[in-house]
Amino acid sequence: KAGVTQTPRYLIKTRGQQVTLSCSPISGHRSVSWYQQTPGQGLQFLFEYFSETQRNKGNFPGRFSGRQFSNSRSEMNVSTLELGDSALYLCASSQAPSGEQYFGPGTRLTVT
Amino acid sequence: GEDVEQSLFLSVREGDSSVINCTYTDSSSTYLYWYKQEPGAGLQLLTYIFSNMDMKQDQRLTVLLNKKDKHLSLRIADTQTGDSAIYFCALYNQGGKLIFGQGTELSVKP
Repeated sequence: KAGVTQTPRYLIKTRGQQVTLSCSPISGHRSVSWYQQTPGQGLQFLFEYFSETQRNKGNFPGRFSGRQFSNSRSEMNVSTLELGDSALYLCASSQAPSGEQYFGPGTRLTVT
Repeated sequence: GEDVEQSLFLSVREGDSSVINCTYTDSSSTYLYWYKQEPGAGLQLLTYIFSNMDMKQDQRLTVLLNKKDKHLSLRIADTQTGDSAIYFCALYNQGGKLIFGQGTELSVKP
């Protein structure tokens, strides 16, 4: 069974631009969560989706948004990029919200 | 609030056992996980334990949970150089998210 896939793997953007990251969960998994990893703050929860509904949201500004499609694929969007948004963005999928969470390889975003 | 603490570094010799420790404050966690991260990679789920268990063994990995002291540990038997990585403990809380520790960098010397 294929694992969690994330595209693109690497992105370089300029301050003020927006970006969309994509996550395809493991087949049969309906829950997708997003995390931001930085050297200073570690791993921080962004949001969780289940059956196309956002169930939980972390403490991030409204510039960070996401959605989930009927096939469970998820996208997250960051608008008006700031230098501090440079990070590894990780997506995790599970069969149900409280189940084992499997992570993708991440998208490395660099904002210049 | 929720807090998960890990020591930052651990160095062992190849063939020895490694023990990575984690303490936490939120006792309502249902699942407690151990993840491994190699350079430039995502998080690999190593093992997990339910909050109603005390111990779980999975090949070279042993997880111990002391709920009274809110202490979780991961023991890796016969540690190999390929085990060198950062290990994260994480708790799934009632708020529906994983709370991660800072990660323990394990260095295995030949």
